[in-house]
Amino acid sequence: NAGVTQTPKFRVLKTGQSMTLLCAQDMNHEYMYWYRQDPGMGLRLIHYSVGEGTTAKGEVPDGYNVSRLKKQNFLLGLESAAPSQTSVYFCASSNSGLAAHEQYFGPGTRLTVT
Amino acid sequence: DQQVKQNSPSLSVQEGRISILNCDYTNSMFDYFLWYKKYPAEGPTFLISISSIKDKNEDGRFTVFLNKSAKHLSLHIVPSQPGDSAVYFCAARLTGNQFYFGTGTSLTVIP
Repeated sequence: NAGVTQTPKFRVLKTGQSMTLLCAQDMNHEYMYWYRQDPGMGLRLIHYSVGEGTTAKGEVPDGYNVSRLKKQNFLLGLESAAPSQTSVYFCASSNSGLAAHEQYFGPGTRLTVT
Repeated sequence: DQQVKQNSPSLSVQEGRISILNCDYTNSMFDYFLWYKKYPAEGPTFLISISSIKDKNEDGRFTVFLNKSAKHLSLHIVPSQPGDSAVYFCAARLTGNQFYFGTGTSLTVIP
């Protein structure tokens, strides 16, 4: 049981390049989330999804797009990377119903934009 | 503006003593509060939660207290162990599953 996995673990991009971060979960969870963590800022919600085919904006959505074509996968895209997007990105998932508040996190992706 | 605040960046405690981590929030619409533990180079791990309709929840060595009038919650760890050394994040949920996290408190338990 792998839980939540993220690909890649590290990436360096040049300004203006694009990339997609992949999150996969094998717990059959309905909800999935993308966060970024910056020094002194805690985790901030970028986008989230409450089910296959649905997405919603979180606290800091600008510059990112997401897709949830399959229940187990949640993709985060950067169309034109900027140095301000240098961060550690965490994906999480949670069940629906009474346990919806308990999130399971992946190990993170460290992204540097130069 | 930060809706969930952890004003202590770090805390050191002797092994066997109590660790108290604090968190303040501003939004009275939060319906669940959570604590996560994070080790370096790993994702956060869920520790304990409390519903906004309760004032205390206990799980083994971990107890969370909620004071709604003060918009304050705290995590008590008794007794503290060296393996508890980590960064602890407080989080709060709005209905619809939007979560807001504090900036974290780094706990060091000294053997």
